[in-house]
Formats: sequence, structure tokens, C-alpha cells
Amino acid sequence: DAGITQSPRYKITETGRQVTLMCHQTWSHSYMFWYRQDLGHGLRLIYYSAAADITDKGEVPDGYVVSRSKTENFPLTLESATRSQTSVYFCASKASGQETQYFGPGTRLLVL
Amino acid sequence: GDSVTQMEGPVTLSEEAFLTINCTYTATGYPSLFWYVQYPGEGLQLLLKATKADDKGSNKGFEATYRKETTSFHLEKGSVQVSDSAVYFCALWYNNNDMRFGAGTRLTVKP
Repeated sequence: DAGITQSPRYKITETGRQVTLMCHQTWSHSYMFWYRQDLGHGLRLIYYSAAADITDKGEVPDGYVVSRSKTENFPLTLESATRSQTSVYFCASKASGQETQYFGPGTRLLVL
Repeated sequence: GDSVTQMEGPVTLSEEAFLTINCTYTATGYPSLFWYVQYPGEGLQLLLKATKADDKGSNKGFEATYRKETTSFHLEKGSVQVSDSAVYFCALWYNNNDMRFGAGTRLTVKP
């Protein structure tokens, strides 16, 4: 299907485990973003990528790792999950030179 | 740093009521301003935007005007429907990679 998809949609894990959240877009957008959504904070940028093999930190990058070997995929890894990383994670993409970001449906992550 | 402040919710209205959700921003330059909407269980969708002072963004009966003098971008709709129930986010976009979102305002419209 065209658009931006995230998997899994729901994930329960335990403290200390590694978790990878997947994001895939079919528009060939050069920019991709990862946000976390927490009550009272809105969305906060974790990492973004301007193109394949180019990534940079956002507002709250600690505890997260990203990679972008292909334009269409932008996985987010929690190397050692903590309870404070319980959140809803949104992936987004946009075309270069454009302002509008397009969001995936989100992944709800619970860290026990 | 650049930031957005929007009115706290939740907001509960009856169908056909007038809606205002306040949004003010702090920025060192002249950002583009956005309203995004998040329906239950979904990601954010762009509702409307304005790129310079005095611009009015509009979509689906919603409007917002970029007011530089008051640093505001309030969202309005003259007559809300039950289907407008959602969370609304004000946001500013300052450079290529920096989109700052407000905390979100949950709107519930009752029939």
C-alpha cells in the first residue's frame, strides 16, 4: 500500500531489552523523522534523516539509535529499554523543500 | 528556543457550537505555522497552514490567521460536528528539520 506504515502497532517489552520499531514509506521522500508523543508534551523529535546514510539528533535522542540504509526505511532502536521510554512513537516523512510532514499511524510501546 | 503554547484541554462542545483553540508561539524569526489533527487511533494529519504574517489557512470549515503582532495562530470553526472530535496540535516549522509541536488540545463534540 502507498503511504507510510509502522510496525508493530503495539509492543510490550521489559526493561533492558532491545526493541526495534520499523517505519516504511513509499513516496521516496528524502526526509524521515521519529517523534515520541507523551501526555502534556505533544510530539518531541527523537531523530531525523535527510537522506539515506544521513541522520541527526533531535530534541530527545538519548537511549535511541537510528539507521537509514535505504531511502524508504527508517528503523528506530531502543538498545536497552527503560520505563521512561513507554510512549507512542510516530514516524513521519516529507519531501525535500516541502514543509508538510506525513505521519504514520504510530506504535504504542509499553516497557514493564 | 522556538516553542508553541496552546490552550489546555479537554474542550467539550455541543454540536453546531463555535470553536476556538488558542495557540501562541515564540520564535526568533518568521516560522510557518500549522494545525495538525489526530483522530482516535491514527497519526497526525495536516489540517491547515500559513507561511507568512496575515495569511489565513483554511480547510474543512476550520480557519486560522497568522498574527505576527500577537504571535498567535488560533484555530476556529463556526459550527463543529461530532466528527470533529479529535486532538488538535499547533506547530511551527522554522527550518528544514525543526518542527515544534504544542501539547495538543483534545476536543469532544457531543450530539
